[in-house]
Amino acid sequence: SQQGEEDPQALSIQEGENATMNCSYKTSINNLQWYRQNSGRGLVHLILIRSNEREKHSGRLRVTLDTSKKSSSLLITASRAADTASYFCATAPSGTYKYIFGTGTRLKVLA
Amino acid sequence: NAGVTQTPKFQVLKTGQSMTLQCAQDMNHNSMYWYRQDPGMGLRLIYYSASEGTTDKGEVPNGYNVSRLNKREFSLRLESAAPSQTSVYFCASNDRDSIGNQPQHFGDGTRLSIL
Repeated sequence: SQQGEEDPQALSIQEGENATMNCSYKTSINNLQWYRQNSGRGLVHLILIRSNEREKHSGRLRVTLDTSKKSSSLLITASRAADTASYFCATAPSGTYKYIFGTGTRLKVLA
Repeated sequence: NAGVTQTPKFQVLKTGQSMTLQCAQDMNHNSMYWYRQDPGMGLRLIYYSASEGTTDKGEVPNGYNVSRLNKREFSLRLESAAPSQTSVYFCASNDRDSIGNQPQHFGDGTRLSIL
C-alpha cells in the first residue's frame, strides 16, 4: 500500500471558510511536501516542511508536521473558488529518491 | 521559463505497439522522475534518475524502460503497450540539498490510451 494516505478524500466548502486536510506516512522522512493539482494539469508545489519543523506558513497556507504520529495537516484559510483542486502530500523515506504520494483530497470551494 | 516539457500531450496506441514519451527540463536539475496517475489516485513512481547516468526502479517499473539521455532529458519507453498502461504520465525534476529532496517541478502530463 502507499505510504501516503490522506483524508478526507473529498471536501466541499463555501468560499471564505477554512479547509483542512490530513496526511499520514509510514517511514522516517527528511521532509514532507504538499502539492496542488488543477484538473488536467501537472502538480504544483505548495509548501515543504522539514522533519525538524513543527509548523510552517506560506500566505493562506499553514502546514503542521507531527513526526511522532507520522502525520501532517494542510490548512487553507479564507478559501477561494480558485482553490478548487486536488491536494497531495508527498514524502520520500530518508536518504532515498523514492517519492510516495498520497491518494489526494479533492477540494471544491463553492462561490 | 519552460520548466518541464513533456511530449506528446496525447497518444492513442494499440495493444502491442511501442512508444517513447519524452521529457526535458531546463532548470539544470540533477534528478528526474516518471510517474503514472490513474483515475482518482495519487502518483506512483515508475522510474527515477538521481543524476545523469543513473536510473533506478520505482514502485511500478514492470513494462517500462527509461533512458537518461543527458542532464536535460529523461525518456520513458513502453516496449509492448498493454491496456493496463492506460494512464496519465507525468515527468518531474528536482535537486537535492544536504538536508533532503527539494520540491519537484512537474510537466503537464501525457495522456496515453491503449486500446
